[in-house]
Amino acid sequence: GQQVMQIPQYQHVQEGEDFTTYCNSSTTLSNIQWYKQRPGEHPVFLIQLVKSGEVKKQKRLTFQFGEAKKNSSLHITATQTTDVGTYFCAGLGTASKLTFGTGTRLQVTL
Amino acid sequence: DTGVSQNPRHKITKRGQNVTFRCDPISEHNRLYWYRQTLGQGPEFLTYFQNEAQLEKSRLLSDRFSAERPKGSFSTLEIQRTEQGDSAMYLCASSLEGQGMSGYTFGSGTRLTVV
Repeated sequence: GQQVMQIPQYQHVQEGEDFTTYCNSSTTLSNIQWYKQRPGEHPVFLIQLVKSGEVKKQKRLTFQFGEAKKNSSLHITATQTTDVGTYFCAGLGTASKLTFGTGTRLQVTL
Repeated sequence: DTGVSQNPRHKITKRGQNVTFRCDPISEHNRLYWYRQTLGQGPEFLTYFQNEAQLEKSRLLSDRFSAERPKGSFSTLEIQRTEQGDSAMYLCASSLEGQGMSGYTFGSGTRLTVV
């Protein structure tokens, strides 16, 4: 079945540093979504990417969808303590439900 | 509409007992999903409904698990003869599917502990 992996599993940065998480799917995706889960809370939808090579920005967050539609990345510029949480990519393949990635836990310290 | 509602928030049960969880999705949403999440892992798909029809069920889901969405509104997830390995957070999500895929709105989940 479809598998979605993310690296790194965990990253600890100082506030103000940049952060990137990478997402790779075993199969071609029709679209990819990103979610953020704060500790002890449920995942919250951030964004959806549909087109090959698509780039979207949300303030300090930049999302990219690979040309082959099998990978994606999330980059955060100048991290803040409010960015703490686990970031999941989730891919939609041939089935009609999302397959979530393994997640990258981000810790930000002052 | 206050989003996706799940209850109970926590459930502690003895091994072998049956448990049932409820999910009330966003009323305009036609799709409802059940996922399971264990510590340090991503949500794992269990099953989903479009209106009242159950369209897909994970191969990982044993016969002890059953889900219903009788009138296309709220859904229930029942686990029979619970085992310690069933301990997890059970997440419900809903979405509006029509002309394209949309993001899921998750509920706060039901945390199940089997002792």
